[in-house]
Order: sequence, then structure tokens, then C-alpha cells
Amino acid sequence: GNSVTQMEGPVTLSEEAFLTINCTYTATGYPSLFWYVQYPGEGLQLLLKATKADDKGSNKGFEATYRKETTSFHLEKGSVQVSDSAVYFCALGAGGTSYGKLTFGQGTILTVHP
Amino acid sequence: DTGVSQDPRHKITKRGQNVTFRCDPISEHNRLYWYRQTLGQGPEFLTYFQNEAQLEKSRLLSDRFSAERPKGSFSTLEIQRTEQGDSAMYLCASSYQREPRNTIYFGEGSWLTVV
Repeated sequence: GNSVTQMEGPVTLSEEAFLTINCTYTATGYPSLFWYVQYPGEGLQLLLKATKADDKGSNKGFEATYRKETTSFHLEKGSVQVSDSAVYFCALGAGGTSYGKLTFGQGTILTVHP
Repeated sequence: DTGVSQDPRHKITKRGQNVTFRCDPISEHNRLYWYRQTLGQGPEFLTYFQNEAQLEKSRLLSDRFSAERPKGSFSTLEIQRTEQGDSAMYLCASSYQREPRNTIYFGEGSWLTVV
């Protein structure tokens, strides 16, 4: 079946540091890939997405590239801010009859210090 | 704001009681999803509707759980005879069939604590 593996956290960085959160997946067919962010006590917000191989999703300075050859979708940001502190989830969306059924990784807690 | 709305946001109940959560999706979204998230884990899919039809149910959805979407708009998730293991956040999400594949939008969740 489908699965998503994220790098274990928590990740602690100083403001303006470079961020990478690794995500790899296992899936059949041609899934879509997502990064969601969850702030304390809140639901999930879609951060970025990519629907086919070599697509790059980007939003708010975050980027991730859909790499089919390495089955990866790593999240990066060049300069993090304190306000980026949150939990980040990588997710996979299968197509066909499983449309809309997302498989999530376990989440990576990011803390950014001033 | 016309995002996904969930009610109540927090619910504390005694073991054995029934609870019901409501979800109002984004207007015109014909697909609605329920997920469950336990502490420190990613959300897990429970079920989804297209209009009023419930098209898929996860094995996580035991017989004590029932979800409805009677008019293809709002949805309810009822848990009967709650157990402590039901304590979690229940997330609702919605999407529009013609949007780019699998772009779904989540509500803020309903926290359930069973004591």
C-alpha cells in the first residue's frame, strides 16, 4: 500500500537558517504530493503541492520538488522565521478510486528560535 | 470566511456516552472527508462522501462510528459508546471534483477527550 516517511524531529533552528525536511514515499501509479502545516491547536493548512514528476511546488518561501526517481518530496526554505514554528506533514494523494484519500507522514515538529 | 467549519471545537465526554460532530464544507465543494488525528501522529483517513453518497470507509471506522451527509452539504460524525481510545482530533476536509487532483482543504478540527 501507500506510505509516507518523514525525517524524525523535532528540528530546532535559529532564525534565518536553512531548512530541509526529508520526505520519501511508496506508492503505485502517479500520486500527487503535498506538504501541510499545522500550527498549535489548529487544523491543517495546505502549504504546497505537486501533481506530477519534476513539478516544483512553492509557497511563502517554501519549496519542494517531486522526484520520481528517488521517490522524494523534500521541503526546503532558505531562511526560516520564528513564525514558521509548526508541525509539517508530508502527504500523498492517490488517484483513481482513492481520489482525495491522503496518506500522511508522522509529522516533523519545527521550532525556530530568534 | 468560507472555509471548512467544524463544531464543536472541543468536547469532553464520559466513557460510554455518544458524541456527534458537525462539519460544514466549503460552499459548492461536493466531496467531504473525515480524518482522525491522535497526538503526535499524522491524520488517518476515515471516510469520504461525494455529494450525499458515502463512497469509502476505512477499517478504522468501527461499527460505533457512523457518518452521514444527508443533503450533500453538511456532514455529521457520530461516535456511540465512546471509549478512551477514541480521544483524538477529528478533522473534516472538503474538495471540489474539478479542482486539481487531490487538493483538499481542512477545517480546524474537533478535539474529543473521553474520560
